[in-house]
Amino acid sequence: DVQLVQSGAEVKRPGESLKISCQASGYRFTSNWIAWVRQMPGKGLEWMGIIYPADFDLRYNPSFEGQVTFSVDKSTSTAYLQWSSLKTSDTAIYYCARAYGDYIYTWWFDSWGQGTQVTVSS
Amino acid sequence: EIVLTQSPGTLSWSPGERATLSCRASATVVRNYLAWYQQKPGQAPRLLIYGASTRASGIPDRFSGSGSGTDFTLTISRLEPEDFAVYYCQYYGSSPITFGRGTRLDIK
Repeated sequence: DVQLVQSGAEVKRPGESLKISCQASGYRFTSNWIAWVRQMPGKGLEWMGIIYPADFDLRYNPSFEGQVTFSVDKSTSTAYLQWSSLKTSDTAIYYCARAYGDYIYTWWFDSWGQGTQVTVSS
Repeated sequence: EIVLTQSPGTLSWSPGERATLSCRASATVVRNYLAWYQQKPGQAPRLLIYGASTRASGIPDRFSGSGSGTDFTLTISRLEPEDFAVYYCQYYGSSPITFGRGTRLDIK
């Protein structure tokens, strides 16, 4: 079975850095893009961007470009989302999701991690 | 950017009834690149439908998707107690990929 297991909840101060993880299993990690999706408190889903583990190709939603960084470690089948300087507005649940589709940007998301709650507060 | 409008924001139905959820795109969705997800409180979203009408693996056949162009519909033929949740549509034909704001399906 495909599984995406995310790291645990984080509580941070504004200005701190953070890296959360998403470990994949049950399929060939390099065969599918991995997306990140934000859900702010009580709100809907926002696509942040996506990374292709095979060649590290990256596509960011313009709304998130420059605010976050995606990376992967193929040796551990793990994708990462990181911030260099958190803001209170980064408080949200962050999901990783396996992307499926034929062409660039034609992705739907067939398996999701359980989500990582990130709380940024002074 | 294609904006997806889901209406109404909340629907109230009784178990056993048929529910129809709407998703309207601000521009034509090429090749029916439209998906639907279900999200229950405290859980991750679950893929229901992709390609506007193809059920994902393991999804009961009471869920069906239809539509083309700018108007899409998710139909749940006979509501089960576990179907009361929030439903999101997603566009995926170009950047940025976008989601609708969701429709909450409540028990009447």
